[in-house]
Amino acid sequence: DTAVSQTPKYLVTQMGNDKSIKCEQNLGHDTMYWYKQDSKKFLKIMFSYNNKELIINETVPNRFSPKSPDKAHLNLHINSLELGDSAVYFCASSYSGGDPYEQYFGPGTRLTVT
Amino acid sequence: SQELEQSPQSLIVQEGKNLTINCTSSKTLYGLYWYKQKYGEGLIFLMMLQKGGEEKSHEKITAKLDEKKQQSSLHITASQPSHAGIYLCGAYGGTASKLTFGTGTRLQVTL
Repeated sequence: DTAVSQTPKYLVTQMGNDKSIKCEQNLGHDTMYWYKQDSKKFLKIMFSYNNKELIINETVPNRFSPKSPDKAHLNLHINSLELGDSAVYFCASSYSGGDPYEQYFGPGTRLTVT
Repeated sequence: SQELEQSPQSLIVQEGKNLTINCTSSKTLYGLYWYKQKYGEGLIFLMMLQKGGEEKSHEKITAKLDEKKQQSSLHITASQPSHAGIYLCGAYGGTASKLTFGTGTRLQVTL
């Protein structure tokens, strides 16, 4: 009965490659997020989608493109991976009709770019 | 933009000891959230505080928001190894759905 799931959990790839991380939530939430946690454990929001519409797009390189095929999914595609993209990426979800800041997080995807 | 500073950055305590983690904001907080991250895992929501002077407890963890709503503390009583992890405070910075996180506090509990 996983609430927010991400795949893969670990991703090791070379510079220049294109990769995707998938996120799914079965909580019936209408808002989903992508966060990046850097090597210093600092967590920063990247994107937020509400009902498949992009509502937050922080200063993130164009190489990062989120896609929300439906309310339960928010995928993150990264083109031309760079060393600096190495981080843990967390997906989260919340319900806008409730407390939007009670976000539920996935287990994270550790991306290593070599 | 909202900035949240946590202290200490890391903490090592002996099992059974009490400890406090602080979260200070550069602006008035309109909601302060505490999360816990276990090493290598996702974030778990702990508590949310909204009103100045508010205090909430869950098991051995108590969180408080000061009257001016610019500082929150998280207090753990009689720490256990299960309390180990990274504690993050988060706050609403004025933009809908934009949760900004603090710098994090890494807690280790030794036997």
